[in-house]
Amino acid sequence: AQTVTQSQPEMSVQEAETVTLSCTYDTSESDYYLFWYKQPPSRQMILVIRQEAYKQQNATENRFSVNFQKAAKSFSLKISDSQLGDAAMYFCALNNNDMRFGAGTRLTVKP
Amino acid sequence: SQTIHQWPATLVQPVGSPLSLECTVEGTSNPNLYWYRQAAGRGLQLLFYSVGIGQISSEVPQNLSASRPQDRQFILSSKKLLLSDSGFYLCAWSIKGEKLFFGSGTQLSVL
Repeated sequence: AQTVTQSQPEMSVQEAETVTLSCTYDTSESDYYLFWYKQPPSRQMILVIRQEAYKQQNATENRFSVNFQKAAKSFSLKISDSQLGDAAMYFCALNNNDMRFGAGTRLTVKP
Repeated sequence: SQTIHQWPATLVQPVGSPLSLECTVEGTSNPNLYWYRQAAGRGLQLLFYSVGIGQISSEVPQNLSASRPQDRQFILSSKKLLLSDSGFYLCAWSIKGEKLFFGSGTQLSVL
């Protein structure tokens, strides 16, 4: 079975600083997709970034980037120049038909 | 454009009563469909997913069942609700490898 592990229940970052959220996963598949989702208090699920496992190049979306280490089955999210609006729950997810989520990391941004 | 409809937004049910939550998708064909449950402040637990009509994969042995009577309709049911069934239920769809599109969720309280 596929599993996703987020070992940081809570993280805190100073506004304008950089923070990295960790995620590891386990799958026997070679073809899969990885995602980071953000969930603000509204509980709406917002896609932050997507990575295809067959691509070696790390995905980037503006201030958000990932460090994808396929052999280590690691998929961390880096948020640069953190903003107050980045405060939310962040979920790592693994998709190969059955989309599975980690337990989440609550990110606090201090002004 | 694709849209997903999930209703109702909130539901209060007595213990032992039946449940039916419905989700419909528009603007796409043969999507993967998902039901998740989220406890307060926790991650998304995959309950059921479906890759086609009549094809349901159950992830967690429980008091719930799912059906997909039409290509773009996904129903979550229970014959007799338990207190532990309370939570925030999210329906979602995707095309394999692409991001999930989420419904607005149903907050279920079993009293």
